[in-house]
Amino acid sequence: GQQLNQSPQSMFIQEGEDVSMNCTSSSIFNTWLWYKQEPGEGPVLLIALYKAGELTSNGRLTAQFGITRKDSFLNISASIPSDVGIYFCAGPNLYSGTYKYIFGTGTRLKVLA
Amino acid sequence: KAGVTQTPRYLIKTRGQQVTLSCSPISGHRSVSWYQQTPGQGLQFLFEYFSETQRNKGNFPGRFSGRQFSNSRSEMNVSTLELGDSALYLCASSPSPSGTGELFFGEGSRLTVL
Repeated sequence: GQQLNQSPQSMFIQEGEDVSMNCTSSSIFNTWLWYKQEPGEGPVLLIALYKAGELTSNGRLTAQFGITRKDSFLNISASIPSDVGIYFCAGPNLYSGTYKYIFGTGTRLKVLA
Repeated sequence: KAGVTQTPRYLIKTRGQQVTLSCSPISGHRSVSWYQQTPGQGLQFLFEYFSETQRNKGNFPGRFSGRQFSNSRSEMNVSTLELGDSALYLCASSPSPSGTGELFFGEGSRLTVL
C-alpha cells in the first residue's frame, strides 16, 4: 500500500535532547497529522496542520507544514523518557475520487535517561 | 467526551474462521475508518464509512467487509481467516469525511490467527 516517507526510521537520544523528524510525500497535501503510538495502544493525535507554512505547538512538540505542501516536520524539545514511542505522520491522498489518509512508516524514538 | 471504543481488544481465531470487530465512534462523529496495522506493512487503509455509506475502500480482498449503522457505530468482518490476517485492527472516527479533518483512533483490536 501507499505510504509516506518518514525519517529517521529510529533514533536513540539522551534525555533532555531535542528531536527532529520529517515526512515527505510525492503529492501535495492540504492537511498533515502527527500521531504518537505506544505499545499495545492506538495512535494518539498530537498536532494537526491545515495550511502551508503553518507552525503549531503542543507543549514541547512543534510541527510545521512545509511550504511546498509535500512535507512536514515534527520537533520535540527537551525529550523525556515518556516520549518513547512511534511517531507517525499522515496526510490525505486522493484515491478513486475521494480522500483517504495514508501514513508514514513511523519514527521509533527511544530516550536514554 | 468518550473516545473511540473498539471491542474486543484481543482475540484468537483459527484459519478458516470468521471474525467481527466493533467500533463506537466519538459522539457526533459520522465518519468511521478502519485500518490494518502490521510490523511489515504499517498502517493500511481498509475502508471508510460516512453516514452509513461506504465512501472509500482500500486494496484488500473481498473477505474484508464492513458496515455502519444509523448511530454511526461500525463493524468490520473478516471471513475465511488466513494467518496473514493477524494484525492490530484500528478504527478511527472523524466529524467529517476522511481527508477533511482530524482522525481519532481507538485502542485497536489485536487479532491473532493460528
